[in-house]
Amino acid sequence: DIVLTQSPALAVSLGQRATISCRASQSVSISRYNLMHWYQQKPGQQPKLLIYRASNLASGIPARFSGSGSGTDFTLTINPVQADDIATYYCQQSRESPPTFGGGTKLELK
Amino acid sequence: EVQLVESGGSLVQPGGSLKLSCVASGFTFSNYWMDWVRQTPGKSLEWIGEINTDGSKTNYAPSIKDRFTISRDNAKSTLYLQMSNVKSDDTAIYYCTRVQRGAFDYWGQGVMVTVSS
Repeated sequence: DIVLTQSPALAVSLGQRATISCRASQSVSISRYNLMHWYQQKPGQQPKLLIYRASNLASGIPARFSGSGSGTDFTLTINPVQADDIATYYCQQSRESPPTFGGGTKLELK
Repeated sequence: EVQLVESGGSLVQPGGSLKLSCVASGFTFSNYWMDWVRQTPGKSLEWIGEINTDGSKTNYAPSIKDRFTISRDNAKSTLYLQMSNVKSDDTAIYYCTRVQRGAFDYWGQGVMVTVSS
């Protein structure tokens, strides 16, 4: 299985940039497709898709969220961070079955 | 508006069985692969399995293979997860998800399954 590694937590100030990383144990890219996706989960709620295929904004997601990366290294950026963005963020790969998730990065306020 | 509503979660004894349902609305259910994903308390997310659009093909995670069965009824826009021989490790919130471009683009609210004697 492809293992996705995320830092457990990131502290950020409101109005600043947050950069959340995800590293895969092997490449999750095929030709021009980078098969990494990002989700936001708030306590007591289901995960919500933010970014699909590394850099595409999901429907209804604010433009302060963006994604980048290829191969094994991917980044979710939130700029500027708002109070409503305090949550846990997960990456997920669909390059190989089974689909796997990172352990999640909890975004906290400084 | 896309909606996925799970039901059927409960307390079940080890070795027992349980069937979860997920009713879909707001989209053409029969056009999409559907998956189940679970989340153990305080831990990350784990993919359980998937079913293709007409229900003829399923794939499962090794951790639950031969114990869980995914099925669907497109006429009722309903996805199912039949759980059997459950173990304490199966205690989790179970989510029904829609798949698009390899991502889980919509999730149900989740249903809690607790395996305990």
